Amino acid sequence: EPEVTQTPSHQVTQMGQEVILRCVPISNHLYFYWYRQILGQKVEFLVSFYNNEISEKSEIFDDQFSVERPDGSNFTLKIRSTKLEDSAMYFCASSADRTGSEQYFGPGTRLTVT
Amino acid sequence: GDSVTQMEGPVTLSEEAFLTINCTYTATGYPSLFWYVQYPGEGLQLLLKATKADDKGSNKGFEATYRKETTSFHLEKGSVQVSDSAVYFCALIIQGAQKLVFGQGTRLTINP
Repeated sequence: EPEVTQTPSHQVTQMGQEVILRCVPISNHLYFYWYRQILGQKVEFLVSFYNNEISEKSEIFDDQFSVERPDGSNFTLKIRSTKLEDSAMYFCASSADRTGSEQYFGPGTRLTVT
Repeated sequence: GDSVTQMEGPVTLSEEAFLTINCTYTATGYPSLFWYVQYPGEGLQLLLKATKADDKGSNKGFEATYRKETTSFHLEKGSVQVSDSAVYFCALIIQGAQKLVFGQGTRLTINP
């Protein structure tokens, strides 16, 4: 069964450093998403992406964040200058249709900012 | 704004017990409703969904009915197994939007 994969599974970085979280969506999916879950809190939407453009983003997704599909398979989330409060589990998801009604999630990357 | 509230966990049951995890929502538009499950070390998996009022979603013995009058989507299973131990998330998506709005998750542990 096709699945979404994410790397690394755990990333530790120092405050102020840039990090790139990587995702490989399901191959025939066209819509891509990032969510995050701070420990003990809800899973929160960050951004959706289609046709090389951001289609929707939350207020969390400020100028420190960017997304990119650098090639035909990867989808990345970059945080330019990490803060302590960026420590969270980051989930990538993809879907085949624009309704987003069936989003397939990866296992997540745990980001720890020290 | 749109939000989902789940019963607080953790929930611990014995094998073969009846399970209910409550979920209620508030929505500015017309939502589709979902239950996702996260097994240890894995990503969120879609368990079931319902897209309109009175629809019942079902999968792997789990069921949930979209109740517009009570704005609820409670998850039920008649006889749980140890393998059902996981974190369960209720979620909604508003028609025309693409973002899922999640509840806080309920950790379920089933003891043999």
